[in-house]
Amino acid sequence: QVQLVQSGAEVKKPGASLKVSCKASGYTFTSYGISWVRQAPGQGLEWMGWISGYNGNTNYAQKLQGRVTMTTDTSTSTAYMELRSLRSDDTAVYYCAREGQWLFDNWGQGTLVTVSS
Amino acid sequence: DIQMTQSPSSLSASVGDRVTLTCRASQGISNSLAWYQQKPGKAPKLLIYAASTLQSGVPSRFSGSGSGTDFTLTISSLQPEDVATYYCQKYNSAPWTFGQGTKVEIK
Repeated sequence: QVQLVQSGAEVKKPGASLKVSCKASGYTFTSYGISWVRQAPGQGLEWMGWISGYNGNTNYAQKLQGRVTMTTDTSTSTAYMELRSLRSDDTAVYYCAREGQWLFDNWGQGTLVTVSS
Repeated sequence: DIQMTQSPSSLSASVGDRVTLTCRASQGISNSLAWYQQKPGKAPKLLIYAASTLQSGVPSRFSGSGSGTDFTLTISSLQPEDVATYYCQKYNSAPWTFGQGTKVEIK
């Protein structure tokens, strides 16, 4: 079955960088994209961006342009999301989701990121 | 960017009630609309795509309709396990924007 397993919770200081991993299994990694979605405490879902599992093409949400980088390692079927210059309002649960035909049909378990001095 | 607006923000209904949630797009998106269910502390789950197509394994009491700018998600007979927040999402083009969610509770 399709599984997306994310790295563990992190605590970061303002100004630091974050890198979250998402290891996929149960499907052909290069046949789908991966999107990253975050959810601040008590808030809704925010799409952060997308990366193609096939060729690494990316599409980032405008508000995160310049701070976010998404990459993949096809040899290990793993996607990564790096967010730089962290602020307190980056505190959230970060999800990866498999994207097929622009739909998010399988999700990771989420990674809680706390940004605090 | 196209904005997605859901209403109501929350609702409380009795078990067995018919419940209707609404999602409105600021511009037409054809039928490129998905609905997700998120239970407390869990990742979202895809329920419906193409406005009205039920994802495999989703109970038939869930249904979707609409096209263009106005969409609805209906639960024909509310069950205790349907307590969750429901999000719509447009996917005709990037950014793949979500609505702010509708929280469904049992009265």
